[in-house]
Amino acid sequence: AQSVAQPEDQVNVAEGNPLTVKCTYSVSGNPYLFWYVQYPNRGLQFLLKYITGDNLVKGSYGFEAEFNKSQTSFHLKKPSALVSDSALYFCAVRVPHSGGGADGLTFGKGTHLIIQP
Amino acid sequence: DARVTQTPRHKVTEMGQEVTMRCQPILGHNTVFWYRQTMMQGLELLAYFRNRAPLDDSGMPKDRFSAEMPDATLATLKIQPSEPRDSAVYFCASGSTGSIPEAFFGQGTRLTVV
Repeated sequence: AQSVAQPEDQVNVAEGNPLTVKCTYSVSGNPYLFWYVQYPNRGLQFLLKYITGDNLVKGSYGFEAEFNKSQTSFHLKKPSALVSDSALYFCAVRVPHSGGGADGLTFGKGTHLIIQP
Repeated sequence: DARVTQTPRHKVTEMGQEVTMRCQPILGHNTVFWYRQTMMQGLELLAYFRNRAPLDDSGMPKDRFSAEMPDATLATLKIQPSEPRDSAVYFCASGSTGSIPEAFFGQGTRLTVV
């Protein structure tokens, strides 16, 4: 079974500082990895994904994430945080099938990111 | 602008009543997910369809919940009878197999059972 761990319930960062939101995963096979963001009373918005290739992937709003296979991690990063980045962030994993398609999308518990002015 | 559409956005119902939530996936997507979000449990996968066939509904309480896809443009999640512990936000998401594996979420249905 696949699982995702986000070890921090909340991350506090001062505006302008770099931010990191941590994610580790457990799967059998090579995973597809994702980050989503949720603003209050809204659905989840896709931020970025890792499928294959370059371990550093770039996404929306200046976010990026680094895939580390040996540490089974996919941490979300941004060089300079904005107050508007404050939201709930979810890491997710899918495992592709050899015959095509993929397993269901499994999410971590989410991390509240709070950017202080 | 392609998007997943969920109806209703809000539902308040009395315990014991039937609740039906609907989802229109993005045209051309062949996978549909139903999730439940609560403060305590976070995002729980309830059911997962591919090409309208249920692949995984192990996260769904079978005695009261049912999920179906009558056609490719409609997914439904029913609760009968509803209970106060079912109060949550229910999200539908759609995606495709192949080169674009990310899922796209609807705005959710906020269900309150009193």
